[in-house]
Amino acid sequence: KAGVTQTPRYLIKTRGQQVTLSCSPISGHRSVSWYQQTPGQGLQFLFEYFSETQRNKGNFPGRFSGRQFSNSRSEMNVSTLELGDSALYLCASSLQGGTNEKLFFGSGTQLSVL
Amino acid sequence: AQSVTQPDIHITVSEGASLELRCNYSYGATPYLFWYVQSPGQGLQLLLKYFSGDTLVQGIKGFEAEFKRSQSSFNLRKPSVHWSDAAEYFCAVRTGSQGNLIFGKGTKLSVKP
Repeated sequence: KAGVTQTPRYLIKTRGQQVTLSCSPISGHRSVSWYQQTPGQGLQFLFEYFSETQRNKGNFPGRFSGRQFSNSRSEMNVSTLELGDSALYLCASSLQGGTNEKLFFGSGTQLSVL
Repeated sequence: AQSVTQPDIHITVSEGASLELRCNYSYGATPYLFWYVQSPGQGLQLLLKYFSGDTLVQGIKGFEAEFKRSQSSFNLRKPSVHWSDAAEYFCAVRTGSQGNLIFGKGTKLSVKP
């Protein structure tokens, strides 16, 4: 069974641009969540999607948005990029997103904002 | 608010030595507790988890962790470290129904030959 796939693996953007990251969950998983990892702030929860609906959201500005498609694939969009958005963005999937479920993480997308 | 503290930013141990990584959490009820490991440039891999029952839980790669409610701790241990264990380790808590993971800042483990 294929794992969680994130594309692209690396991205370089400039300030003010926007970016879209993609996440394909494990087959059969309907919950997809996104995390931002930076050296200073560590791992922080962005949002979670289940059955195409955002079910949970972290404390990030509205420039960060996402969506989920009917096949459970998810995209995350960051508009008007800032230098501080440089980070590793991790996607995780699980069957239903239940509290006792194991999360499977992708290898992440490394975003650099110049 | 819930929080997770990993007091040690960086630990170095000799290969074959024992290891204990500390984790303290802040939450009113019994949380769901996790330990993840991250190798450089990679995502996170679950080592073990605690939900209820036996407070000593066994995980993959020879790791174990003990939940101590009185100390609000969930420390990770391994009796004999291997060079391949060098990585960053994250303790996390998940609260409520369908709650997101709240991570500690991580502990980087280096292994001396």
